[in-house]
Amino acid sequence: AQSVTQPDIHITVSEGASLELRCNYSYGATPYLFWYVQSPGQGLQLLLKYFSGDTLVQGIKGFEAEFKRSQSSFNLRKPSVHWSDAAEYFCAVGSNYGGSQGNLIFGKGTKLSVKP
Amino acid sequence: DAGVIQSPRHEVTEMGQEVTLRCKPISGHNSLFWYRQTMMRGLELLIYFNNNVPIDDSGMPEDRFSAKMPNASFSTLKIQPSEPRDSAVYFCASSQTEILEQFFGPGTRLTVL
Repeated sequence: AQSVTQPDIHITVSEGASLELRCNYSYGATPYLFWYVQSPGQGLQLLLKYFSGDTLVQGIKGFEAEFKRSQSSFNLRKPSVHWSDAAEYFCAVGSNYGGSQGNLIFGKGTKLSVKP
Repeated sequence: DAGVIQSPRHEVTEMGQEVTLRCKPISGHNSLFWYRQTMMRGLELLIYFNNNVPIDDSGMPEDRFSAKMPNASFSTLKIQPSEPRDSAVYFCASSQTEILEQFFGPGTRLTVL
């Protein structure tokens, strides 16, 4: 079955520290992978996406993610966290093929808190 | 582009009343999604449409929920009768099917008393 796992429900980091949010997926076809961010009271906003090519993708707000097919992972990273990065982060996977064409499967999210 | 537009932004109603949530997708997008988000259950896909046709409604909780997309620029999600456990934030999102990237609206916060 297709699924996305974000193992960490809640992470707290200090401002200026590095960040890595984990995402593992189970998907039969070649996956298209996404990270979204949701600030309190807001809708989800796309941070970055991977379709093909270079496995290290750059996104907005200084975020990057690396696709590792052998580990079925797409972890999100940022070298130095800012207080404004406090939000909830969602990993998602989808495909352009098959009956679920166009749909995305979302993980349950990781809430990020930032300490001053 | 104005992005995905949802109305109302907030809705407070009493148990048993009918509630209608509205969504206008981004022009040119041919897929539309309705999600529900709660603290307990997280983000849940309720239903999605491709080219105005419902593709998967397996996430619709029960017969009290219904969704329509009469044309490419408008969709509704109706709850009749509403119950307190329907209280949640409901998001609408749209995409171009082949591109997959979904654009989310600001959500409707529904409170059923």
